Amino acid sequence: QSVLTQPSSASGTPGQGVHISCSGTSSYMPKKTVNWFQQLPGTAPKLLMYNNNQRPSGVPDRFSGSKSGTSAFLTISGLQSEDEADYYCAVWDDDLHGWVFGGGTKLTVL
Amino acid sequence: EEQMVASGGGLVQPGGSLRLSCSASGFTFSAFWMTWVRQAPGKGLEWVASVKTDGHEENYVGSVKGRFLISRDNAANSLYLQMNNLRAEDTAVYYCARFGHYIGYYYQYYYMDVWGKGTTVTVSS
Repeated sequence: QSVLTQPSSASGTPGQGVHISCSGTSSYMPKKTVNWFQQLPGTAPKLLMYNNNQRPSGVPDRFSGSKSGTSAFLTISGLQSEDEADYYCAVWDDDLHGWVFGGGTKLTVL
Repeated sequence: EEQMVASGGGLVQPGGSLRLSCSASGFTFSAFWMTWVRQAPGKGLEWVASVKTDGHEENYVGSVKGRFLISRDNAANSLYLQMNNLRAEDTAVYYCARFGHYIGYYYQYYYMDVWGKGTTVTVSS
């Protein structure tokens, strides 16, 4: 059981927007900066967002991140069929000296 | 192009050993921490181990402590994971990833921005 909780699934139709949440406890989450990863079927994860809301170069601006209190959010606007993938949040835990991943959210584009 | 290529996976019996390698190119390997992340079949991502830039600090997830050893050779731009006393639950695709750390005046953040394609480890008799 991860300390980061994500919904197991999410869905939307092309052109719609979708939000994926990543929740932690009040004593844990506020101190962390969140990464988001996209994993297309059969491929390695790809960094989508770091430091809560910063996009690496090459990531479309349809993807945005935010964090408030105990939750972080990945928002995808203007959904496209190629966005169908698994999405993971992750934080570096200074006490564990390791990375902690959320359980992942499977996004289906209907 | 910044990239990493993992290799060394295969089929091994329970209790056996395997050594994974990850070759890096296109960036200054010695400037970054490195990490291994695994994914069991049909499951999510799990951090396995990380190693500091100079190889002098290592961290492991509890389930592999005492069995796995992460190391690096900066001269060869290579990362390794020696896996001993393997168990069925170690069956997974293993990814190597570059691990960055930004330290600013008011805040710091961490990220994993370059990932290798993964190598498959199957532990079965």
